[in-house]
Amino acid sequence: GQQVMQIPQYQHVQEGEDFTTYCNSSTTLSNIQWYKQRPGGHPVFLIQLVKSGEVKKQKRLTFQFGEAKKNSSLHITATQTTDVGTYFCAGERNNDMRFGAGTRLTVKP
Amino acid sequence: NAGVTQTPKFRILKIGQSMTLQCTQDMNHNYMYWYRQDPGMGLKLIYYSVGAGITDKGEVPNGYNVSRSTTEDFPLRLELAAPSQTSVYFCASSYSAHRATGGGGYTFGSGTRLTVV
Repeated sequence: GQQVMQIPQYQHVQEGEDFTTYCNSSTTLSNIQWYKQRPGGHPVFLIQLVKSGEVKKQKRLTFQFGEAKKNSSLHITATQTTDVGTYFCAGERNNDMRFGAGTRLTVKP
Repeated sequence: NAGVTQTPKFRILKIGQSMTLQCTQDMNHNYMYWYRQDPGMGLKLIYYSVGAGITDKGEVPNGYNVSRSTTEDFPLRLELAAPSQTSVYFCASSYSAHRATGGGGYTFGSGTRLTVV
């Protein structure tokens, strides 16, 4: 069945450094979504990417969807302590959506 | 507009006990879902519903049951609690296609932390 792998599992950065998490699917996706979960909180929807090669930006966050629609990335420029949390991707294919295991980001002030 | 509301927030069950996790949404979403999240893991779909009266199994349905008598409510039932069901349970809803292909993503509730001892 469809699998969505996410790396790295953990990332610790100094405040001001950049951060990237990668999501890879074993199959071509119809779309991919990104969520952020603060410690002890619930996932919060960030964005959805649908088109091949699509790039979207939200302030310091840049989201990319690969040309083959099998991978995606989230890049945060100049991390802040408010960026702390776990970032999940969720890939959908044939109405079957699977979440990656998430990348847990910690930021040292 | 409360979004998705889950109760209770915490619960400890003994093996073999049963309970119902409540979920209600006030956004008039047709699509609702139950996920479980184990430590350090992603979210696994237990059951979902595309509308009142319609439910279907997800990845990990064993040991659970659901019902959807109204658009607003989607309770999750554990009949014979087992230690393997210790987890955090999230209810979610979405507006568009039953897996949110139309955009907008899922709205999650704040979760129920369940421990089975």
